[in-house]
Amino acid sequence: GQNIDQPTEMTATEGAIVQINCTYQTSGFNGLFWYQQHAGEAPTFLSYNVLDGLEEKGRFSSFLSRSKGYSYLLLKELQMKDSASYLCAVYNTNAGKSTFGDGTTLTVKP
Amino acid sequence: NAGVTQTPKFQVLKTGQSMTLQCAQDMNHEYMSWYRQDPGMGLRLIHYSVGAGITDQGEVPNGYNVSRSTTEDFPLRLLSAAPSQTSVYFCASSGLAGGPEPTGELFFGEGSRLTVL
Repeated sequence: GQNIDQPTEMTATEGAIVQINCTYQTSGFNGLFWYQQHAGEAPTFLSYNVLDGLEEKGRFSSFLSRSKGYSYLLLKELQMKDSASYLCAVYNTNAGKSTFGDGTTLTVKP
Repeated sequence: NAGVTQTPKFQVLKTGQSMTLQCAQDMNHEYMSWYRQDPGMGLRLIHYSVGAGITDQGEVPNGYNVSRSTTEDFPLRLLSAAPSQTSVYFCASSGLAGGPEPTGELFFGEGSRLTVL
């Protein structure tokens, strides 16, 4: 089965840096995705890790350690528009499906 | 490019009624799936399909049926609606290996908000 854990809520200040952690225990692993979901909208793709290490895309970075079952999403230079839910998802090629954590609601304050 | 299109966006049903949520994608994706999202929770997989004629159950399949007669369409049927099925439903698709995007990246429809009274 799949067990994916992330903090429920986080608060940070505009301009700051925030790290959202995700730990997972899965029966199959072929990649870890992060999605962003604004209230009332559909999730959209943010980043993807299949190998250990850091992937950087502008203000967003994501890190993966497969041996530890651990990933984090790092958001730099926070903006008010970054207030959203961030979903960690484990992708299993053999099953052909992604399993999601419950999401972390990030609130950015002025 | 329309991507993933879901209809209807909103629906109110009475307990016991049946209905179909429609989902279509124009990206020639092999993989399609239905998720439900309840307040404060992540996405839970209902059913999925890795190609036309192939479907399989996800985490929460009870009370739902799917079929995949074409690559483009993946309708979700509620057989006899119950209040516990009040939720937001998302259809999502992805390409399998070999495409330009990361394998497994999901493209979501806008969601269908269903209320069962």
